[in-house]
Amino acid sequence: DAKTTQPTSMDCAEGRAANLPCNHSTISGNEYVYWYRQIHSQGPQYIIHGLKNNETNEMASLIITEDRKSSTLILPHATLRDTAVYYCIVPRPRNYGQNFVFGPGTRLSVLP
Amino acid sequence: SQTIHQWPATLVQPVGSPLSLECTVEGTSNPNLYWYRQAAGRGLQLLFYSVGIGQISSEVPQNLSASRPQDRQFILSSKKLLLSDSGFYLCAQGRAYEQYFGPGTRLTVT
Repeated sequence: DAKTTQPTSMDCAEGRAANLPCNHSTISGNEYVYWYRQIHSQGPQYIIHGLKNNETNEMASLIITEDRKSSTLILPHATLRDTAVYYCIVPRPRNYGQNFVFGPGTRLSVLP
Repeated sequence: SQTIHQWPATLVQPVGSPLSLECTVEGTSNPNLYWYRQAAGRGLQLLFYSVGIGQISSEVPQNLSASRPQDRQFILSSKKLLLSDSGFYLCAQGRAYEQYFGPGTRLTVT
């Protein structure tokens, strides 16, 4: 699986955009970038994924650089409920589906 | 929509005792099923995955085992728990590009 590197922690003011970076310089051409988050004591929650085009859904936007070596997850208007650990994952496709390897992630604290 | 049930939600067990955690899935058929463990302050570690009834693959050697007796049932077991087995155990199901996680079981081995 491609290795990902994320900052250990970040703070964001409530109502402002939260921009979470991720480096994945060894990503292969057919590997997707996934983002999950885990609120304390809950299971991880899928946020968004993309291959090379920017993606947007009701939760967030995903910006992937042209060389695909890094990406940024954007929460446009962070709320206190967005405080969580955010995981950037690049799983290697396998015949049984994706094998998600979760690293330590980025602990995002949204401050009032 | 799919729903994943796990029980119990919390469990405290002494060292050397057996373990059985159960996961059931609703709203989908023939899912790929996964067991993860998360130690305190760490990322998730994939323990087992299953692509069908009776088909189990292990990602890491350990004293745990998994079974899939029915299409939508996944069981994590141990004959003798170790202190290092403490953690947050998550069951997930997924197809193709996404995985959906259950609420988890918090296991404390004393």
